[in-house]
Amino acid sequence: QQQVKQSPQSLIVQKGGISIINCAYENTAFDYFPWYQQFPGKGPALLIAIRPDVSEKKEGRFTISFNKSAKQFSLHIMDSQPGDSATYFCAASKGGSQGNLIFGKGTKLSVKP
Amino acid sequence: DAGVIQSPRHEVTEMGQEVTLRCKPISGHNSLFWYRQTMMRGLELLIYFNNNVPIDDSGMPEDRFSAKMPNASFSTLKIQPSEPRDSAVYFCASRDSGTDTQYFGPGTRLTVL
Repeated sequence: QQQVKQSPQSLIVQKGGISIINCAYENTAFDYFPWYQQFPGKGPALLIAIRPDVSEKKEGRFTISFNKSAKQFSLHIMDSQPGDSATYFCAASKGGSQGNLIFGKGTKLSVKP
Repeated sequence: DAGVIQSPRHEVTEMGQEVTLRCKPISGHNSLFWYRQTMMRGLELLIYFNNNVPIDDSGMPEDRFSAKMPNASFSTLKIQPSEPRDSAVYFCASRDSGTDTQYFGPGTRLTVL
């Protein structure tokens, strides 16, 4: 019940296309859902996060869609660029942003020029 | 701001040896996290400190692993004795109280032969 399941494991998208990564969780006590971006040889960095009181949050080309009833959330990257090529991790925590993060296994995104 | 500093960046050791990983959190941050990243298991929380006190060490694999935070600006993760299955990238992250974001260091790539 503590798991966060992420799919797909890898994703190849053409430049300008939309990248979509999905996550599902079981624990209804989770109340904070961030996405982290990791480039090779670097640590993960927070990209965008959402709380369950809203269904969508947008920051530039990055959007989180949240479906509380389905216990699913997804990351959409619009107009994907080669510089977006990285590994993306969804995560969830209970106790808000002060809780411990449970990470998904990651999605390796490659954006082809 | 220097960000989270980890040392060494790479460590190669032989089975049975003691390994010490070091972390300097961002100045003023009061929470510190140690994570382990492997292909098989993804990103796992090992231990979490708040105000230098260990809060949750349920992710520490076994007694061979120990972590300390003697002051607000320094933490260590020690493995004694090390085993080949400990080979992974170990990340330290810090967070300021009342904020959402965990800031990750660049990681230490540990190889145990």
